[in-house]
Amino acid sequence: AQSVTQLDSQVPVFEEAPVELRCNYSSSVSVYLFWYVQYPNQGLQLLLKYLSGSTLVKGINGFEAEFNKSQTSFHLRKPSVHISDTAEYFCAVILVGDTDKLIFGTGTRLQVFP
Amino acid sequence: IAGITQAPTSQILAAGRRMTLRCTQDMRHNAMYWYRQDLGLGLRLIHYSNTAGTTGKGEVPDGYSVSRANTDDFPLTLASAVPSQTSVYFCASSDYRKGSNEQFFGPGTRLTVL
Repeated sequence: AQSVTQLDSQVPVFEEAPVELRCNYSSSVSVYLFWYVQYPNQGLQLLLKYLSGSTLVKGINGFEAEFNKSQTSFHLRKPSVHISDTAEYFCAVILVGDTDKLIFGTGTRLQVFP
Repeated sequence: IAGITQAPTSQILAAGRRMTLRCTQDMRHNAMYWYRQDLGLGLRLIHYSNTAGTTGKGEVPDGYSVSRANTDDFPLTLASAVPSQTSVYFCASSDYRKGSNEQFFGPGTRLTVL
């Protein structure tokens, strides 16, 4: 069965420090990969996505992620976080050929402290 | 402003009552989705519709029904609500025919079943 694993339920970090949020997936077919962000009391917003091509993907708000097929990972990184980055982050996959049904990870709560 | 609207924003409901959550999009997307978000579980797909007139079951469809009479609207009905259906419900849409695979999310409906 296909699944998405976000091992860290919470990641506390100080402002201006770098951060990495981990995401691993398992699938027997090719996947498209996504990171969504959810700010408090809001819906989800797309941060970035990998469909094909370059494995390093840049998104909004200075975030980037790298697709590693051999390790089945798609970790999200930011070199210097801001207080405003405090939010819930979700990794998700779509199975290629299965229309747009997203499979979500359980989320990582990023808490940025001053 | 183009996007997805959901109504109501929040609702407290007695167990056994019938409830319909409304979702409308004005982007002319062909596909629409309903998810529920629960702490520690991420988002789980309830039902989806690839095009008007068709619907399909997601990961957690029991106790819910949907209809897709037209492109814009995708209501979710709880025929007889139970406390385990207390959750935040998100509607989303996408137009995978364009190849972007991005899902756009509504602001959510917070439902409490007592």
